[in-house]
Amino acid sequence: GAVVSQHPSWVICKSGTSVKIECRSLDFQATTMFWYRQFPKQSLMLMATSNEGSKATYEQGVEKDKFLINHASLTLSTLTVTSAHPEDSSFYICSANRGWGEDGYTFGSGTRLTVV
Amino acid sequence: DAKTTQPTSMDCAEGRAANLPCNHSTISGNEYVYWYRQIHSQGPQYIIHGLKNNETNEMASLIITEDRKSSTLILPHATLRDTAVYYCIVTTGANNLFFGTGTRLTVIP
Repeated sequence: GAVVSQHPSWVICKSGTSVKIECRSLDFQATTMFWYRQFPKQSLMLMATSNEGSKATYEQGVEKDKFLINHASLTLSTLTVTSAHPEDSSFYICSANRGWGEDGYTFGSGTRLTVV
Repeated sequence: DAKTTQPTSMDCAEGRAANLPCNHSTISGNEYVYWYRQIHSQGPQYIIHGLKNNETNEMASLIITEDRKSSTLILPHATLRDTAVYYCIVTTGANNLFFGTGTRLTVIP
């Protein structure tokens, strides 16, 4: 089946620094990838839709200058949390849509970000 | 995409069938019913999906009512590893997946 690899699994960074999270589709091409954020005991909330070769579409309330998304190829999207603060600590999950099919949406394993 | 309503939590005895209901009364004709689950601190895992016919795979069965306004996910023989949050999602497949609150299933030994 389709596999989406997300890296790193967890990261601890100092307040004010930037962190990059990678999302790769390993055995298929994904023109569209999605980035979600999940706070403890809450559901997944969509942050943005990443489109290969074009600008990402951000959900309302998500700062595009703080959460930089780059989808430079059909197999890689990156999310960079710039000038991270403790309130950015969360579980970040990517998803790739490979089109229609039994598992059209495949999710990465998530990245636990802790900002200290 | 249409929204869904699920019970907040459910318990199930190990080895018994777990029946997770989902209401999607505003589902439109071109929307599929997808089920995902999320085990603690992991990404969501695809379980099954269907349009109007009942579906079965190695993980579960999906029963969709004739009017398509509700469905039930059935795990035939629940194990402790099935403890997770289960999300019922309706979507055309063209957009992102909207996650509601899901059902927290606890399988009890």
